[in-house]
Amino acid sequence: GAGVSQSPSNKVTEKGKDVELRCDPISGHTALYWYRQSLGQGLEFLIYFQGNSAPDKSGLPSDRFSAERTGGSVSTLTIQRTQQEDSAVYLCASSRKRDQETQYFGPGTRLLVL
Amino acid sequence: AQSVSQHNHHVILSEAASLELGCNYSYGGTVNLFWYVQYPGQHLQLLLKYFSGDPLVKGIKGFEAEFIKSKFSFNLRKPSVQWSDTAEYFCAVNAANTGFQKLVFGTGTRLLVSP
Repeated sequence: GAGVSQSPSNKVTEKGKDVELRCDPISGHTALYWYRQSLGQGLEFLIYFQGNSAPDKSGLPSDRFSAERTGGSVSTLTIQRTQQEDSAVYLCASSRKRDQETQYFGPGTRLLVL
Repeated sequence: AQSVSQHNHHVILSEAASLELGCNYSYGGTVNLFWYVQYPGQHLQLLLKYFSGDPLVKGIKGFEAEFIKSKFSFNLRKPSVQWSDTAEYFCAVNAANTGFQKLVFGTGTRLLVSP
């Protein structure tokens, strides 16, 4: 079946601009996670959704970062006033209720802030 | 809080050599343990996982890992590597029996297998 999909694959933006990253989880998966993979920091958790609510936002690095999920499916991660240190690969993962500890990852969005 | 250590950042092996990648975690409670692999240009894929039961778990592509509770370790092994195993390997943990939980990852080990 279809896996987690993310768009765009690559995004180049100028410092100070806002960006939106999209994640489509595997159909029927109730939990959705955002992570960031950057040089020197490894893979860091950002936020997770259970349905449309976000019980854990502890990993969001600043108030410039926000995320929402609608209809229990698609999620958007928004970064406002991007900074060069936001350059990273943003990964989305989802998991299903019956095997909720196992997360399946998408291909990521590579963000470069100039 | 959980943390994961992968002591080998880069490993270079010849084909047919045996592989063991170290992973140690820190957490006061019961954990689930995972190994993920990221092949060049591809996304993270699950290799294997341990939740409970037999501490020796077998995954895809001939990989296995052993959970040693007393050592807080979950080392990944493969008896004979292939060139196609060249990838980055990540160990990860989350808290067990708590529902949806974030994964805490190690920093990864880059494996290069020379033909």
